[in-house]
Amino acid sequence: QSALTQPASVSGSPGQSITISCIGTSSDVGSYDLVSWYQQHPGKAPKLMIYEGSKRPSGISNRFSGSKSGNTASLTISGLQAEDGADYYCCSYTSINTVVFGGGTKLTVL
Amino acid sequence: QLQLQESGPGLVKPSETLSLTCTVSGGSISSSSYYWGWIRQPPGKGLEWIGSMYYSGSTYYNPSLKSRVTISVDTSKNQFSLKLSSVTAADTAVYYCARRRVRGVTIDYWGQGTLVTVSS
Repeated sequence: QSALTQPASVSGSPGQSITISCIGTSSDVGSYDLVSWYQQHPGKAPKLMIYEGSKRPSGISNRFSGSKSGNTASLTISGLQAEDGADYYCCSYTSINTVVFGGGTKLTVL
Repeated sequence: QLQLQESGPGLVKPSETLSLTCTVSGGSISSSSYYWGWIRQPPGKGLEWIGSMYYSGSTYYNPSLKSRVTISVDTSKNQFSLKLSSVTAADTAVYYCARRRVRGVTIDYWGQGTLVTVSS
């Protein structure tokens, strides 16, 4: 199975909005509304930010939102804050009952 | 509060078998609502799913690692384990144990991670 495709890096200024894309195939992202997104700061374990495509766990700011169109899932962060600077990974279920991650995107808050 | 803690050798020789254990506290590994599994991250690189298992013993592995991976569970100790055979330097990574909800790919609890280096 191939990793989902994410941009290597994105950047934005405080207060702005950014979107990170996650491109899969009809065998993973396109077939299930089950994409999750994780935030990872250096030296830390990943943290769940979005699950089942667009749902936020308790305690996650509503500045984080998820969506999907076809084989592409997206994570949008509005009102960027300095602490949002981190690596972000998408994750999808696949048609062969496995899990696949994206390659990761480094978000820089300018 | 659920906690997961990885344990095992931090250094493994090439061609040998990497063995890690994850101890779960604050919840039961026998729950029918979750899978228990392993994810790794080579230094400076992205996350790679290794595999998951259900408390009943059903296992699911990354096709690229399937021939070398075994995940098992010990419900009496509330632990699950990873064995990766015939390791090479490419298997050097931080290894995370994690809990995943049965529906989808919602990985809601992670261990802190443990670095395993493959070197002679």
